[in-house]
Amino acid sequence: DQQVKQNSPSLSVQEGRISILNCDYTNSMFDYFLWYKKYPAEGPTFLISISSIKDKNEDGRFTVFLNKSAKHLSLHIVPSQPGDSAVYFCAATDTGTASKLTFGTGTRLQVTL
Amino acid sequence: DAMVIQNPRYQVTQFGKPVTLSCSQTLNHNVMYWYQQKSSQAPKLLFHYYDKDFNNEADTPDNFQSRRPNTSFCFLDIRSPGLGDAAMYLCATSRGAGDGYTFGSGTRLTVV
Repeated sequence: DQQVKQNSPSLSVQEGRISILNCDYTNSMFDYFLWYKKYPAEGPTFLISISSIKDKNEDGRFTVFLNKSAKHLSLHIVPSQPGDSAVYFCAATDTGTASKLTFGTGTRLQVTL
Repeated sequence: DAMVIQNPRYQVTQFGKPVTLSCSQTLNHNVMYWYQQKSSQAPKLLFHYYDKDFNNEADTPDNFQSRRPNTSFCFLDIRSPGLGDAAMYLCATSRGAGDGYTFGSGTRLTVV
């Protein structure tokens, strides 16, 4: 049972445009959400997070939006740059219990010139 | 720089031959995790240590064991690797609930 779902395995966006990566979750106990970026042959690196008490968090070119009623979050990258090409993982946790993250399957973003 | 280091980056082992993957951290984080990631799949948690307390996931095969001799080091032992155990193994650390993870670069295990 996949509790965190990233339904788009890949996304291609032109440089300078907006990239929107989507993530859905099923566990209503999740209250903290994170995005990780992964380059080939490297471990995932933390990008941005959001607590369930917020609906938006912004950090430079990256913004995460959370819609709790829809159990949906999205990552917006504006403007997209070639260096953003990577696999992006959505992750979620229930901070009231163990500090375990449940990951989605990832979306491969390709930013083209 | 404070970091999480995994050795080796690439490991080839024979079918059925025990293998150990290692992870060390300089962050002094309480929690250390081992994830298994197969191609195009989500990283899957195998187990984690909160300090010395070991927490095994219910569906982690008995073939996988872990040791944490001190705060800095954590080992993943695969007693009898099968072809299906070929994967990327990711070690991560955190300070606890609500804290994000810091990942190592992973060890890619090949079973021949």
